[in-house]
Amino acid sequence: AQTVTQSQPEMSVQEAETVTLSCTYDTSESDYYLFWYKQPPSRQMILVIRQEAYKQQNATENRFSVNFQKAAKSFSLKISDSQLGDAAMYFCACLYGGSQGNLIFGKGTKLSVKP
Amino acid sequence: DAGVTQSPTHLIKTRGQQVTLRCSPKSGHDTVSWYQQALGQGPQFIFQYYEEEERQRGNFPDRFSGHQFPNYSSELNVNALLLGDSALYLCASSLFSGRAADTQYFGPGTRLTVL
Repeated sequence: AQTVTQSQPEMSVQEAETVTLSCTYDTSESDYYLFWYKQPPSRQMILVIRQEAYKQQNATENRFSVNFQKAAKSFSLKISDSQLGDAAMYFCACLYGGSQGNLIFGKGTKLSVKP
Repeated sequence: DAGVTQSPTHLIKTRGQQVTLRCSPKSGHDTVSWYQQALGQGPQFIFQYYEEEERQRGNFPDRFSGHQFPNYSSELNVNALLLGDSALYLCASSLFSGRAADTQYFGPGTRLTVL
């Protein structure tokens, strides 16, 4: 079975500091896509960043960047200059090329930001 | 630009009843996926609709059914409700491009409580 694992149930970061959230995945597929979604208390799942497996360059989106290690099947999210509004549940998800839209999610990491 | 909308926001039902949840996709999107998110868990894929047909289905019983209308909006129906059906139901929309990598954008969800 294809799985996504987030080993950190909770993380905490000081405002303006940097934090890294971990994610590993398990697949034998060669064509897949990785995502980080943010879910604040308002419940709406918000896309943070996306990475295509065939691209070697790590995706970046403003203060958010990923460290994609394909051989290790690792996809971590780095948040720089953390802000209070970054506090939320963060979900790592994988979309496999063989599927037609079945996002597979990890269990999430709850990020707290201390002022 | 209207995002994904869902109704109702909250719903309370009793065991054995039936429920219908509704979703309108983001403007320009033609594909709708439904997910169930139990408390403290990542979302689980229920099914996906494209061109008014169910394109893919996750590991959910036949009590879960859906429909997509010509305007791309969608409904999720759950029959014979069980206590275990209590969850946040998320709708996600995307634009089908012939690949499985279409980014999905989520609505705010419907919180279903079964008593």
